[in-house]
Amino acid sequence: QKEVEQNSGPLSVPEGAIASLNCTYSDRGSQSFFWYRQYSGKSPELIMFIYSNGDKEDGRFTAQLNKASQYVSLLIRDSQPSDSATYLCAVNWKDRGSTLGRLYFGRGTQLTVWP
Amino acid sequence: KAGVTQTPRYLIKTRGQQVTLSCSPISGHRSVSWYQQTPGQGLQFLFEYFSETQRNKGNFPGRFSGRQFSNSRSEMNVSTLELGDSALYLCASSRLRTDTGELFFGEGSRLTVL
Repeated sequence: QKEVEQNSGPLSVPEGAIASLNCTYSDRGSQSFFWYRQYSGKSPELIMFIYSNGDKEDGRFTAQLNKASQYVSLLIRDSQPSDSATYLCAVNWKDRGSTLGRLYFGRGTQLTVWP
Repeated sequence: KAGVTQTPRYLIKTRGQQVTLSCSPISGHRSVSWYQQTPGQGLQFLFEYFSETQRNKGNFPGRFSGRQFSNSRSEMNVSTLELGDSALYLCASSRLRTDTGELFFGEGSRLTVL
């Protein structure tokens, strides 16, 4: 059973702080991991992807991957109120018997950044 | 460049009816996938179409079906609606396969079943 687990939150941090969002996954077979952001009433949008162990930085965002621990995280530095949204972790897996992968999404962590 | 367009945005149906939702992908994108989003289950994969062929399917009953046309536009149909089908249905397009992870989502069609 392939599962992507996220703490649903809400996670509340003050403006300027570091927000840390965590995600664990059940199957070691995946090679690619994604973070989507979904504002209330809007559709998800891709903000980060990571394929290799270690850190990947993009502006204020850092994705961290540890395949041995089956753990991927997203750090948001200097958090802003505009970062308030639900963050969805997604993992790419191939279903048994299929040659094609697809994304499995976690249920998301709701982040609130207060001024 | 225009984004993914879904119609209708909101609709209300009663149990037993059927519904058809439409999705126009970003120009040049050949893959369309459909997701159901509910507060309890999150984003659940329904199916993926590429070049008019269904390439992958999630664990939904046969009441849920879809198709893709030669212009990459896609429709999904739900027959014999049940109360539990109330959800936001999201369409996502990608240039190639959806497992590349770079999905562009439409605003969704919010279905309420009474």
